[in-house]
Amino acid sequence: SQQGEEDPQALSIQEGENATMNCSYKTSINNLQWYRQNSGRGLVHLILIRSNEREKHSGRLRVTLDTSKKSSSLLITASRAADTASYFCATEYTTSGTYKYIFGTGTRLKVLA
Amino acid sequence: GAGVSQSPSNKVTEKGKDVELRCDPISGHTALYWYRQSLGQGLEFLIYFQGNSAPDKSGLPSDRFSAERTGGSVSTLTIQRTQQEDSAVYLCASSLATGGWGEQYFGPGTRLTVT
Repeated sequence: SQQGEEDPQALSIQEGENATMNCSYKTSINNLQWYRQNSGRGLVHLILIRSNEREKHSGRLRVTLDTSKKSSSLLITASRAADTASYFCATEYTTSGTYKYIFGTGTRLKVLA
Repeated sequence: GAGVSQSPSNKVTEKGKDVELRCDPISGHTALYWYRQSLGQGLEFLIYFQGNSAPDKSGLPSDRFSAERTGGSVSTLTIQRTQQEDSAVYLCASSLATGGWGEQYFGPGTRLTVT
């Protein structure tokens, strides 16, 4: 079945360092989205990358998509303590004419001040 | 503007009781989604409403779960004869997307504890 799996499951870095997390999936997708979840603000959409795109930027976030490898990466540059959260990828795909959406299991990021 | 709201924020119920969880989506959003999230886990899709189309119920784990969306706006998720394994955070989201799921805006969730 279609599933996004994030890697690593947990990541701990020092403030100012870059954080990279990866997402792999199994079948062709329409788009892939990254979300952040922390206790203060709940689940928040970060960025959407379509299947015909290879890279997108938003502030300190950079997302790449490699459809040949069925994988995506999220890079957070110059991390801050406020970036501490769980990060999820979600893939949208179509099966039998129906849109489906699967969230991965998440990467828990801890940024140490 | 107002975001997605959910009520109650917390619900503790005894095993075997029925519960109703409410979601108020962002005004004008045609799509509404329910997920549940167990502690430390990812999101499990439950049901998806899009406009006046028949809902996609493929994620509902059993016939004890049902949901409705009245007037294309507010939605209620009902769990009958609750079991301890139903304990989780139930998240609702809405989006403008009419083709595909698009960017979803999530509510704060309802934490359900079945004792």
